[in-house]
Amino acid sequence: DGGITQSPKYLFRKEGQNVTLSCEQNLNHDAMYWYRQDPGQGLRLIYYSQIVNDFQKGDIAEGYSVSREKKESFPLTVTSAQKNPTAFYLCASTLASGSHRSYNEQFFGPGTRLTVL
Amino acid sequence: DAKTTQPTSMDCAEGRAANLPCNHSTISGNEYVYWYRQIHSQGPQYIIHGLKNNETNEMASLIITEDRKSSTLILPHATLRDTAVYYCIVRKSNFGNEKLTFGTGTRLTIIP
Repeated sequence: DGGITQSPKYLFRKEGQNVTLSCEQNLNHDAMYWYRQDPGQGLRLIYYSQIVNDFQKGDIAEGYSVSREKKESFPLTVTSAQKNPTAFYLCASTLASGSHRSYNEQFFGPGTRLTVL
Repeated sequence: DAKTTQPTSMDCAEGRAANLPCNHSTISGNEYVYWYRQIHSQGPQYIIHGLKNNETNEMASLIITEDRKSSTLILPHATLRDTAVYYCIVRKSNFGNEKLTFGTGTRLTIIP
């Protein structure tokens, strides 16, 4: 089955440690996104990538880093510079980032809940 | 992208139609209205989108007012599985940038 996988579902880290969240998709989608969600809040965009080896900062990129070495993978590293890293992290992808189509549904993964102790 | 305003929460009886309103008074001519929903602790799921005309699919109907300043998402026969947070999003159909701006949405609770 095609889809987006994120692992692990729950992650615990000590304060001051860097941690990398995995996001893989087998949908052959061009664009991938990372969002952060805090309790009772909407999603906020961290980083996005429209093609391999290219990515742009979203609204809250400070303290995070990403890479896009392969089309199907877009890992997110939460660094020790991120002041409040405990949150629910969601990865998404879209079929055609460079299309004039009006319709580009974003497909979301199941999310990773990160808790920093 | 235009901002949207939604009620914080709503209840609906199981089996009845759930009508979720959204105001987007600053929407511009080339902006689309999208609806997503998020069931607790899961990733959001696309529901429907539209520009001017009313739209219907297997999940829901979208009614957009003639002036396009507001819209209503209709779940015709709500079930307990429809309990979720519903996000109304307005975005341009640009070449390239596809990011979505999520607000806090409407928490819909279906009552048995």
